[in-house]
Amino acid sequence: LAKTTQPISMDSYEGQEVNITCSHNNIATNDYITWYQQFPSQGPRFIIQGYKTKVTNEVASLFIPADRKSSTLSLPRVSLSDTAVYYCLVGDKRYSGAGSYQLTFGKGTKLSVIP
Amino acid sequence: DVKVTQSSRYLVKRTGEKVFLECVQDMDHENMFWYRQDPGLGLRLIYFSYDVKMKEKGDIPEGYSVSREKKERFSLILESASTNQTSMYLCASSHRKLKMAGELFFGEGSRLTVL
Repeated sequence: LAKTTQPISMDSYEGQEVNITCSHNNIATNDYITWYQQFPSQGPRFIIQGYKTKVTNEVASLFIPADRKSSTLSLPRVSLSDTAVYYCLVGDKRYSGAGSYQLTFGKGTKLSVIP
Repeated sequence: DVKVTQSSRYLVKRTGEKVFLECVQDMDHENMFWYRQDPGLGLRLIYFSYDVKMKEKGDIPEGYSVSREKKERFSLILESASTNQTSMYLCASSHRKLKMAGELFFGEGSRLTVL
């Protein structure tokens, strides 16, 4: 199983850029890298997904080096409302014959934004 | 607006009761998932389904069963609830296509307390 390792927690001041790095040494050729955000008492919410190099959307950027063994989620100018748990996931195609694709969540990184 | 709806936000049951947690999605997704989330343990996959009447065990299937009779509905069943099944249960769905399968849509969760 492709497994991910990310910091348990991070603190940041409002207005700063936050970078959360995730390592996934055993990533498979078919795996995409996906990041989720979760607020208390809510289900996780998709933020961004990438395969290689750089992906940017209105919420974040995702940087993936050529070897794909790690990835970095970048949140520009965080605000208090960005306080949440952030999960890094890679795909796990256990049953390729059936075409199924499941994601394994780790424990995530708890980001606390300080005023 | 896409939606995953879980039937109950909060349930309180007694040990030994049979519990049904229902999940419905309106996105015509092939894949559906049940996770449970506990403090310090993150999200753990219980079961998933990649098609009607198909199911696969996740990481912690013991004490649970599932049913997928229609594409839009995925039910989690606790045959005989126990106190260690007190948890937040999250349902999710995704598209079958590999690139899109990484984007899970979650329901708001069902918080189950077993007394």
